[in-house]
Amino acid sequence: DSGVTQTPKHLITATGQRVTLRCSPRSGDLSVYWYQQSLDQGLQFLIQYYNGEERAKGNILERFSAQQFPDLHSELNLSSLELGDSALYFCASSGRGGPINSPLHFGNGTRLTVT
Amino acid sequence: AQSVSQHNHHVILSEAASLELGCNYSYGGTVNLFWYVQYPGQHLQLLLKYFSGDPLVKGIKGFEAEFIKSKFSFNLRKPSVQWSDTAEYFCAVNSARPSGSARQLTFGSGTQLTVLP
Repeated sequence: DSGVTQTPKHLITATGQRVTLRCSPRSGDLSVYWYQQSLDQGLQFLIQYYNGEERAKGNILERFSAQQFPDLHSELNLSSLELGDSALYFCASSGRGGPINSPLHFGNGTRLTVT
Repeated sequence: AQSVSQHNHHVILSEAASLELGCNYSYGGTVNLFWYVQYPGQHLQLLLKYFSGDPLVKGIKGFEAEFIKSKFSFNLRKPSVQWSDTAEYFCAVNSARPSGSARQLTFGSGTQLTVLP
C-alpha cells in the first residue's frame, strides 16, 4: 500500500460530460502529481501541486484543471470529455524536495472510460 | 525539454534468463534517473534511483541499473528473472537542478516484461 488513495477506481461516462477524480496523498506529503497513462502516449505528466499551489505544468489540456485543497487532497477535473480522454489517471505524492529527495508514491489510479 | 526513450515495448523471457531493459534520455544538464515498476493491478513503485556517485545502482528484488553518461543511458538489468517479475517497467528522469516544468519526472513509454514459467 503506497498510502496514496484515489477515487473512484473506475469511471464510465459519455462524451461531453465532466468528471472529477480525487486523490488523497500519503500522510505528510505536500506535493501531488497527476499523470495520464494511455496506450499510445504512455505515462504523461499533467500537473503538480505543492502545498496548495500549482508548481509545474505538463501536457495538460485546457479542458482539464486541478486544484489542491488546504487538507492537501487534490482533484482533477476533466470536462467536455472526448473518446481520446479514456485512460488511466494516476495521482502521486512526494515529500519535501519533490522527486529528487523523496520518491513518488503512486495511487492505484482511476480508469476513465469515455463512451 | 527532457525526454526518455524505452525502445523495447514488450519483452518476453523464460525464468532464469537474464534481463536488460534499455533506457535513453535526452537532457543537456545533470539528471536524476529512476526506474519504476508496475505489477499487474498494482500502483507504480520505485525500483531504484540514481542521483550521483557510483553509476551502478542496486535496487530491490535483485535489480540493478548502470548510468552511462556518455551514452545518456540508464539500462535496467537482472541476472536471473522470475515469473513474479512480470510487470511494466518505466524509466524516468528529471533535472538535478529543477526549475519550472523540469521539476516533474518525465517517464518513458514503459516496457512490458512477461516472464514465462
